[in-house]
Amino acid sequence: QVQLQESGPGLVKPSQTLSLTCTVSGGSVSSGSYYWSWIRQPAGGGLEWIGRIYTSGSTNYNPSLKGRVTISVDTSKNQFSLKLSSVTAADTAVYYCARVLYEAAHYYFDLWGRGTLVTVSS
Amino acid sequence: DIQMTQSPSSLSASVGDRVTITCRASQSISRYLNWYQQKPGKAPHLLIYAASSLQSGVPSRFSGSGSGTDFTLTISSLQPEDFATYYCQQSYSTLWTFGQGTKVEIK
Repeated sequence: QVQLQESGPGLVKPSQTLSLTCTVSGGSVSSGSYYWSWIRQPAGGGLEWIGRIYTSGSTNYNPSLKGRVTISVDTSKNQFSLKLSSVTAADTAVYYCARVLYEAAHYYFDLWGRGTLVTVSS
Repeated sequence: DIQMTQSPSSLSASVGDRVTITCRASQSISRYLNWYQQKPGKAPHLLIYAASSLQSGVPSRFSGSGSGTDFTLTISSLQPEDFATYYCQQSYSTLWTFGQGTKVEIK
């Protein structure tokens, strides 16, 4: 049974870089059928897609994050990671990693991690 | 960006009721529409993909329909475990976007 687990600091200072890792267990991040993605949700708010990566390293990001985002994959560790630079209080949210199934030209988040709360505060 | 608008934002219903949630896209997205359920403190969970395909393990009381700009999620007979927030999400464009959510509460 494939599982995803987010890890990283729960508190980040303003202007610094938020760094999270998602570890894939019971499956391979190198599987050709999947993309890997990050989504966030502020307290009491809705879901915002941050970006995705394919095993090849190809990425797509949400332009609303104005170039502050980098997603990478480490196949040797079976992990993928998120870096968000120049954070402000507006970046405080629960961050989810998710697996994206690509099938018949459709993409959907078929597996999610439990989420990790990141607070931006001095 | 493709904007996704759900209605209503919240609703109250009783166990056994038929519930319908609507999602409208700001432009045609064919059938590139997915639905998720989220319970408090939990990650979202996939219910429906490609507008009407039921994800494995999801009860058959959930169904989806629509194409183009207008989509519907229907719960045929609401059960106690269905009280949650529901989100639609489009994957038509490179920038994936979610609706703002519909909270289903107990009447």
